[in-house]
Amino acid sequence: GENVEQHPSTLSVQEGDSAVIKCTYSDSASNYFPWYKQELGKRPQLIIDIRSNVGEKKDQRIAVTLNKTAKHFSLHITETQPEDSAVYFCAALIDRAGTALIFGKGTTLSVSS
Amino acid sequence: NAGVTQTPKFQVLKTGQSMTLQCAQDMNHNSMYWYRQDPGMGLRLIYYSASEGTTDKGEVPNGYNVSRLNKREFSLRLESAAPSQTSVYFCASSAATGPNTEAFFGQGTRLTVV
Repeated sequence: GENVEQHPSTLSVQEGDSAVIKCTYSDSASNYFPWYKQELGKRPQLIIDIRSNVGEKKDQRIAVTLNKTAKHFSLHITETQPEDSAVYFCAALIDRAGTALIFGKGTTLSVSS
Repeated sequence: NAGVTQTPKFQVLKTGQSMTLQCAQDMNHNSMYWYRQDPGMGLRLIYYSASEGTTDKGEVPNGYNVSRLNKREFSLRLESAAPSQTSVYFCASSAATGPNTEAFFGQGTRLTVV
């Protein structure tokens, strides 16, 4: 079946450094790729998303890039801060009979000051 | 605006017992989802409903059933709970079409099966 693979599973950076998380997807028909942030004990919340007709999108310190040919997309966080520490999930909207949102296994980002 | 509301927040079941997790959204979304979250496994899709009256299996449907009662409500039923179903369950909803595709999550249900 369709799947989304996410790497790395854990990532530790120093405050001010950049962090990059990468995902690949299997369904070439996927057209929507969101990223969610989940803080400890809380629900996942959308931080940025990108559609298949766009190659890059930025929102302040975060950006997402998409390579449809290679079927991979990445999250970039610049000037990391301790409050960026959380679990990050990528996802892909699988457009078959319904609209199934499939998630990667997550990346635990730790930012140390 | 409540968003997505799940009940209950916590539940302990004995093996073999049944229960229904309730989910309701007030955003007039077409699509609703049920996920389970286990350490190191991310969010795995159990079942989803693209619109009122339709349901489809996700990645891990075995042991579960769902009902899309109306556009607002999507319930998840465990007919005979097993310890392997110990998990945190999240309901989510999305407009799923057009520019408003963001999925909104409920607060989660922590289920323990003993």
